[in-house]
Amino acid sequence: AQSVTQLGSHVSVSEGALVLLRCNYSSSVPPYLFWYVQYPNQGLQLLLKYTSAATLVKGINGFEAEFKKSETSFHLTKPSAHMSDAAEYFCAVTLGGGSEKLVFGKGTKLTVNP
Amino acid sequence: ETGVTQSPTHLIKTRGQQVTLRCSSQSGHNTVSWYQQALGQGPQFIFQYYREEENGRGNFPPRFSGLQFPNYSSELNVNALELDDSALYLCASRASGNTGELFFGEGSRLTVL
Repeated sequence: AQSVTQLGSHVSVSEGALVLLRCNYSSSVPPYLFWYVQYPNQGLQLLLKYTSAATLVKGINGFEAEFKKSETSFHLTKPSAHMSDAAEYFCAVTLGGGSEKLVFGKGTKLTVNP
Repeated sequence: ETGVTQSPTHLIKTRGQQVTLRCSSQSGHNTVSWYQQALGQGPQFIFQYYREEENGRGNFPPRFSGLQFPNYSSELNVNALELDDSALYLCASRASGNTGELFFGEGSRLTVL
């Protein structure tokens, strides 16, 4: 069964600093991988998606993630944090197909300090 | 704005009662799924509906049931509520073929006392 582990339930960075949120996955077949963001009192919004077309995936709001099969990782990065990036970030995996489910990690709460 | 709306936004029930949560999906999105998000946790898959038929289910008991209607609306019903059912319930829709690209509503927060 597929699973996702997010290292660090809380990450704090200064405005303008690099953001790095870690995600490792477990899957017996090539997975589809996702990062979603949840702002306070809102639903989740898709940031980016990996579907084997390219290992470096660019998403919205300047975020990107790199798929590394050898490390079973899909870490999320942003070169320069902005105050508006403060939110909770979830990594998710699915095997795809018509009847799939997303398996989410427990989330990482990002705080951006002025 | 995802185009997915849920109601009610908040509700309080007592143990043993039944609850119905509603969702209106984006027009054209014929797949809807429901997730339960407990406090401090990631969302957990409850089930998925495609063209009004359940075609995927997570590790939830039968007292969690659903319906999908032709007008892109759906319902989540929970019978015999337990304290552990207290959570944010999220509805998500997607278009056919867009694996994993879900559009989430803002959720219904259920408190069971």
